[in-house]
Amino acid sequence: GQQLNQSPQSMFIQEGEDVSMNCTSSSIFNTWLWYKQEPGEGPVLLIALYKAGELTSNGRLTAQFGITRKDSFLNISASIPSDVGIYFCAGRSRNYGGSQGNLIFGKGTKLSVKP
Amino acid sequence: NAGVTQTPKFRILKIGQSMTLQCAQDMNHNYMYWYRQDPGMGLKLIYYSVGAGITDKGEVPNGYNVSRSTTEDFPLRLELAAPSQTSVYFCASTKGDSRNQPQHFGDGTRLSIL
Repeated sequence: GQQLNQSPQSMFIQEGEDVSMNCTSSSIFNTWLWYKQEPGEGPVLLIALYKAGELTSNGRLTAQFGITRKDSFLNISASIPSDVGIYFCAGRSRNYGGSQGNLIFGKGTKLSVKP
Repeated sequence: NAGVTQTPKFRILKIGQSMTLQCAQDMNHNYMYWYRQDPGMGLKLIYYSVGAGITDKGEVPNGYNVSRSTTEDFPLRLELAAPSQTSVYFCASTKGDSRNQPQHFGDGTRLSIL
């Protein structure tokens, strides 16, 4: 099946540093989503992207939908301890179920922030 | 609103036992999904439903069954539990099929098969 390559797999950073992670695919997607998952909870949507080239911010988070429609990145500026968690990208393709496609998830980036 | 509610939160099964994971949403969402999440992995789609009475297979449906008799409920059934089904199971829902409809997730059911 289709796969998303998410990197890095994990990050250990100092509080205050900026963070960048990305997802790439061999297929074209029409939607990119970024989720955060904390221990014992389900994923929570952070940012949704619907157009190639789109750049969207949510507080200290910024995500972009790649021009080729095969990649997306998420930046977190001035990280704080509560940013700790696993960040997942997810893409939607018409070729994968449903009229607009089902979501395909990356394997996640585990973020650790040292105070 | 409670959102997406999953029960139980934890369960241990013996090989060959059966059980049903419950999922309910009170947002009047048409679309519902079941995912499994294995350690260090993203979520993989097991089954989904686009409305009451309609279900379809996702990426990893083997060993599972679902039903959608009402809009609110989307139970996931394991008939003969196997160790490979040890995982965290997430249910999600969304209003419609528009790509602008993000999915809302439950808090998960942690299932261990011993």
